[in-house]
Amino acid sequence: SQQGEEDPQALSIQEGENATMNCSYKTSINNLQWYRQNSGRGLVHLILIRSNEREKHSGRLRVTLDTSKKSSSLLITASRAADTASYFCATDQGAQKLVFGQGTRLTINP
Amino acid sequence: NAGVMQNPRHLVRRRGQEARLRCSPMKGHSHVYWYRQLPEEGLKFMVYLQKENIIDESGMPKERFSAEFPKEGPSILRIQQVVRGDSAAYFCASSSSGGDTQYFGPGTRLTVL
Repeated sequence: SQQGEEDPQALSIQEGENATMNCSYKTSINNLQWYRQNSGRGLVHLILIRSNEREKHSGRLRVTLDTSKKSSSLLITASRAADTASYFCATDQGAQKLVFGQGTRLTINP
Repeated sequence: NAGVMQNPRHLVRRRGQEARLRCSPMKGHSHVYWYRQLPEEGLKFMVYLQKENIIDESGMPKERFSAEFPKEGPSILRIQQVVRGDSAAYFCASSSSGGDTQYFGPGTRLTVL
């Protein structure tokens, strides 16, 4: 069964605002990865955070990981229309296969 | 450095036919993963392969589905006697080693009529 669960399922904000998406999981992990998927397209890897890391930055992206709460968040600052996409978290539990959540559909309104 | 390549991008089959999906990993990557995505859902793991070996096929349906990654050539996901429920997007990913970042291909969208 899928373990990663994103919250919210859908998010609509104005361009320029910050977008925060959350992900929860159930078992121990080696790392957690965030991906973006534009409608009908493949997945683009955004960021990987390892279990011994608490926060990571990449451009306008900020990812946090709380292993005690088994949760992660993805923050996109100063959102742009091009950020409109579905965002998925995926956990690596040590078996090399990624377990994906259902995704958050983010819409940035101009 | 070309990314993960998949072909065909779109595949239409009638019920009962066979579907063959191909995946060429990124250069230097020897680990390949297949995932399936149903509409409005996340990806679900199917199988993990290294050259000439199936490492984990726990996500593969027991019947009609098979995968291989030969010493030479692309990885192949084969679906025999397709049914409408097989309609989905099938994604391949590759990594340089197990546990490393997985890079995804553009996917093959299978439609079963």
